[in-house]
Amino acid sequence: KQEVTQIPAALSVPEGENLVLNCSFTDSAIYNLQWFRQDPGKGLTSLLLIQSSQREQTSGRLNASLDKSSGRSTLYIAASQPGDSATYLCAVPNNAGNMLTFGGGTRLMVKP
Amino acid sequence: SAVISQKPSRDICQRGTSLTIQCQVDSQVTMMFWYRQQPGQSLTLIATANQGSEATYESGFVIDKFPISRPNLTFSTLTVSNMSPEDSSIYLCSVNFGGSTEAFFGQGTRLTVV
Repeated sequence: KQEVTQIPAALSVPEGENLVLNCSFTDSAIYNLQWFRQDPGKGLTSLLLIQSSQREQTSGRLNASLDKSSGRSTLYIAASQPGDSATYLCAVPNNAGNMLTFGGGTRLMVKP
Repeated sequence: SAVISQKPSRDICQRGTSLTIQCQVDSQVTMMFWYRQQPGQSLTLIATANQGSEATYESGFVIDKFPISRPNLTFSTLTVSNMSPEDSSIYLCSVNFGGSTEAFFGQGTRLTVV
């Protein structure tokens, strides 16, 4: 059974810092890995999807990397802003490539 | 991606009652799922909503408690039946398009049972 873990559970940084969020998974036979953002009490916004054949994906100030062999992914946020404050979740699909297993999330607070 | 609309966005309900949550997508999708997010927790899959047939439930979730309908390729409902305070959660629908494994989510329904 796939298990997904995110470290740290919470992070508080001053504005402008570069930061790294970590995601690990136990079964390396994945189709892809997806990073989401969730604002309090809201739904999920897809940030980045990395296919199993890819090593990284970039979108603006966000960069996600994937190392299947070690069962790890990182989300790098450059020049953090207060608007980045949210919970960040990583998830991997099951063998059929549809239903997701989520990590516990990293709650990020960026202070002005 | 497409627009995924969930209704209601939030509700406060009395224990023992039922609430039906709607998920409407503005284009046809292959897969629709319902997730629950309990306070302070991550997301757990409730079931896969199958078009024209009974939903496929995950361990710990049963049809009597969480009946699901999916009459067509753009719409699904989740009912939370005979609610108790333990059902207070955010309920989210999720979809996949075509053969893609990328998941998209509705804005969620925040349910509080008193």
